[in-house]
Amino acid sequence: DQQVKQNSPSLSVQEGRISILNCDYTNSMFDYFLWYKKYPAEGPTFLISISSIKDKNEDGRFTVFLNKSAKHLSLHIVPSQPGDSAVYFCAASFQTGANNLFFGTGTRLTVIP
Amino acid sequence: EAEVAQSPRYKITEKSQAVAFWCDPISGHATLYWYRQILGQGPELLVQFQDESVVDDSQLPKDRFSAERLKGVDSTLKIQPAELGDSAMYLCASSLSLLNTEAFFGQGTRLTVV
Repeated sequence: DQQVKQNSPSLSVQEGRISILNCDYTNSMFDYFLWYKKYPAEGPTFLISISSIKDKNEDGRFTVFLNKSAKHLSLHIVPSQPGDSAVYFCAASFQTGANNLFFGTGTRLTVIP
Repeated sequence: EAEVAQSPRYKITEKSQAVAFWCDPISGHATLYWYRQILGQGPELLVQFQDESVVDDSQLPKDRFSAERLKGVDSTLKIQPAELGDSAMYLCASSLSLLNTEAFFGQGTRLTVV
């Protein structure tokens, strides 16, 4: 059973505009969330994370928002650049104990120049 | 910049043959993970080590898969015998410790079983 879901397999955005990638989770015990970016034939690269005690974390053009009551998080990229074109994975974890990551199925972002 | 090293990058093997993948984590990282990513899906954990000890191997198909990290540094994942359904990307990741959730991934090994 998929505990982390990314319901949009793909997203196309014009360069300079905002990209919003969404993620939902089912396990309310998750307390740490991460976004990874993946280019073809490469491993995922860590992008940004957020702890469940926060509702927003910002790093340059990337902002992650967490809505615990809705079990939903989103990644905002502003402004979007062609180099942002990649597959984005949402992941969730427990901060204590075995902290392996539970991944969503990914969203392929295409930024059109 | 420190990286997780994996080899080989690509492997083609015939079904029923044995295959092995190697991973060298970032120096000083005590926790090592092996994930499998099937095309169109997210990575799924196969096994997690803390130093040389297995923390979680509940999703490892133990009838054909084995993993070891004998000295608590590099690790080997083996499949014997390989099946067609094992075709996937095998990703190794490491993190500083069990208290640190940010994992750094290697480039992966793309396995094709024919």
